Amino acid sequence: NAGVTQTPKFRVLKTGQSMTLLCAQDMNHEYMYWYRQDPGMGLRLIHYSVGEGTTAKGEVPDGYNVSRLKKQNFLLGLESAAPSQTSVYFCASSYSTGSMNTEAFFGQGTRLTVV
Amino acid sequence: KQEVTQIPAALSVPEGENLVLNCSFTDSAIYNLQWFRQDPGKGLTSLLLIQSSQREQTSGRLNASLDKSSGRSTLYIAASQPGDSATYLCAVADDKIIFGKGTRLHILP
Repeated sequence: NAGVTQTPKFRVLKTGQSMTLLCAQDMNHEYMYWYRQDPGMGLRLIHYSVGEGTTAKGEVPDGYNVSRLKKQNFLLGLESAAPSQTSVYFCASSYSTGSMNTEAFFGQGTRLTVV
Repeated sequence: KQEVTQIPAALSVPEGENLVLNCSFTDSAIYNLQWFRQDPGKGLTSLLLIQSSQREQTSGRLNASLDKSSGRSTLYIAASQPGDSATYLCAVADDKIIFGKGTRLHILP
């Protein structure tokens, strides 16, 4: 029972490089989310998706792009990494009926360092 | 725009005490509220989920309440133990999930 799996777990990038973080869930959840966590800041929502083929901006979307081509996968892209994007990234998923959400399940996190 | 505030930001209490963590939110049109625990350098562990139609949920020594109309939730921890030391995060959900900044809890042996 995998739940939510993030790939990779650790990554070091040089400024200006690009990369994609993959989030995969096997619970048939409609909703998926990407967050970043910085010291003392809690989790801040980057982008989210309410279903396959949909994406929406969260609290801190600048510098990131996302895609949800398949229901089970949610990709987070950094086109030109900056040191300010050094953070721990968490992915989550949940099921929604439109008036009720289930418990949100989180991945184990990706620690990204941009030098 | 939904804003979630957690008070206090940090708390140190002697072992054995009962304690209350507070969470407030600005938009009462939520589907649910969830409390998480996070240990240093680790991921999130879900503690309790309260649907918008519910008033409280209990799990062991933890009890969470929700007053949606006033935009408040509390997490009550009974008979605290050193193993309860962690950061506690509150999150509210509508079509997105918004977190507070957390309360860092330290239980003194």
